[in-house]
Amino acid sequence: QKEVEQDPGPLSVPEGAIVSLNCTYSNSAFQYFMWYRQYSRKGPELLMYTYSSGNKEDGRFTAQVDKSSKYISLFIRDSQPSDSATYLCAMSQTGNMLTFGGGTRLMVKP
Amino acid sequence: GAVVSQHPSWVICKSGTSVKIECRSLDFQATTMFWYRQFPKQSLMLMATSNEGSKATYEQGVEKDKFLINHASLTLSTLTVTSAHPEDSSFYICRGNGGGQSSYNEQFFGPGTRLTVL
Repeated sequence: QKEVEQDPGPLSVPEGAIVSLNCTYSNSAFQYFMWYRQYSRKGPELLMYTYSSGNKEDGRFTAQVDKSSKYISLFIRDSQPSDSATYLCAMSQTGNMLTFGGGTRLMVKP
Repeated sequence: GAVVSQHPSWVICKSGTSVKIECRSLDFQATTMFWYRQFPKQSLMLMATSNEGSKATYEQGVEKDKFLINHASLTLSTLTVTSAHPEDSSFYICRGNGGGQSSYNEQFFGPGTRLTVL
């Protein structure tokens, strides 16, 4: 079993939809939780960062961490075609070494 | 945000040759550099971690004699793929860390280098 599980998708939604992306993990020592967006043949770009449990909102993006369930989510409101990318969750005990999920490919259709 | 650059962005080489990939932190000092490999439609696989001035620490299964990593300065790390073969064709990405236990805000990925070995 992988330390971090993420549905690979692809997830296809119409423009304007609310997107929900999720990861589960097994290591209870993880304290830092990140979401990265990666366009094809580009490096990952940090979207959201959360320390410990709770919610964090930034524009159309909301990250949620539920440490009791070992479950994290990224919500994208009013999704746009430009949001089409692969979304990677990542976690860390110290904030330094990252453990990545496999990535979910998202397609937002106009 | 801070910028990490990689050069070249795309390289094609013949089997048996060596290829050097440069990773530079442009506006911060990267005390630690991470090198990843990513195959199509797969996630990032950590290859090695290097601290400035020290030998790199390689992940299990990664040949240190094949993937030579040098981190001679706080702004430059290089990955050399020696005697490259077609199975080494992949997307190589570096990530720089500015240091400190919870300095994850100072961690930035490079744009990646696509290596194709013929």
